[in-house]
Order: sequence, then C-alpha cells, then structure tokens
Amino acid sequence: AQKVTQAQTEISVVEKEDVTLDCVYETRDTTYYLFWYKQPPSGELVFLIRRNSFDEQNEISGRYSWNFQKSTSSFNFTITASQVVDSAVYFCALSEGDSGTYKYIFGTGTRLKVLA
Amino acid sequence: DSGVTQTPKHLITATGQRVTLRCSPRSGDLSVYWYQQSLDQGLQFLIQYYNGEERAKGNILERFSAQQFPDLHSELNLSSLELGDSALYFCASTWGHNTGELFFGEGSRLTVL
Repeated sequence: AQKVTQAQTEISVVEKEDVTLDCVYETRDTTYYLFWYKQPPSGELVFLIRRNSFDEQNEISGRYSWNFQKSTSSFNFTITASQVVDSAVYFCALSEGDSGTYKYIFGTGTRLKVLA
Repeated sequence: DSGVTQTPKHLITATGQRVTLRCSPRSGDLSVYWYQQSLDQGLQFLIQYYNGEERAKGNILERFSAQQFPDLHSELNLSSLELGDSALYFCASTWGHNTGELFFGEGSRLTVL
C-alpha cells in the first residue's frame, strides 16, 4: 500500500537559515511519481515539483532544492536562506503508476514557520 | 490562478442539512479529485472521476456522494451533515489519471453549526 510520512510536524527557523523538510514514501510499484505542494496561510495549494521514479537527479529552483533518493525512499525538500514568505504548510505526495490505483496520497504536512 | 474553479467559497449550514459543492476543472483536464482537509489536518482523499466515470475511492462517507457530468464539471454532495464534516473541501484536476501534477481549486470552506 502507498504511504507518505512527513515526520516533522512543525519546524521553526530564523530568517536566512536553511531548512530541510523530510519526506519518506512507501510503494511497491517501480513506476511512481512524487510531488511537493505548498499551502500558505491563505489556504490554496500550490504545486512546487513533480518527480518520476526513473529520474533521481536532484533539482534546484532558486532557493528551493529537492533530493530524491530511491535507496532510502526519500524525497526531501530544502529551502536555502529561508524568508518569512516561505512560512506555510508543505505537503509531500505520491502517486503510483503500475497498480492503477489513480490515487494521490498526501503526507500529513510540515508546518514551517520562518521568523523575522 | 490554477484554472480550477470551486463554488461556493464559503458555506455555513446546520447539522442534518445537505449541501452541494461544485468544481469546474481546468480546460482540457479529464480527471477530477476531491479532498477533505479538516482543521490543521492533512488532505484526505475522497474520490476521483475520469471523463465521467468513478475511478478511485478513498475514505468517503456513505453520506457523501459525487459525480462528474458530461461537461466534466463535478459536484460533491454532502448530506445529513454533522459537526465533524466542517472542513475545507478541495477539488483538483489533471489531464490523465495520476501521472501529472494536480491543480487545486481554492477550496470550499464548509462550516456546520
């Protein structure tokens, strides 16, 4: 069965600190997709990144970077030089490509507070 | 703007009542997903439709039902409402089944008094 674990419920950092949000997933499929979403205080869900299981290349987008490691079933998200505007709840999600379940399963989220 | 439209944005009703939440997916998207987010909780998958057909079911209560119409918009019906049904209900759409990113609407906040 598919499962996504975000063990960090809440993280507080001071502005300009780097912070890493952990995501560990479980799946039996060889083809799967991983996602990160941001939910700011306004409530909407904003797509950040999609990664398929065959692409383990790390990705960097500005201050955001993602580390995908199949060996540890992890897809961690790092924010460099955090800013107050990064304060939000961040969700990691998984969808499976082989089993035809058609579901996107989300982790419970990590609330990030960036203090000025 | 994700291109996904949800109405109403806010809804206040009483226990025992029935409400309908509406979702218009992004142009061209065939799949619609419904999620429930209770206060300070994660996203609970309710149900998915693809091109008018139900394809996946999550933890959807029997009091809840949904459908996707020929024009691809979807409705989530919640009946015999209880206080615990108060939540933010999100609709999301994507082109295919589950390989692409989901685009979320702004959500419908339901308050049951």
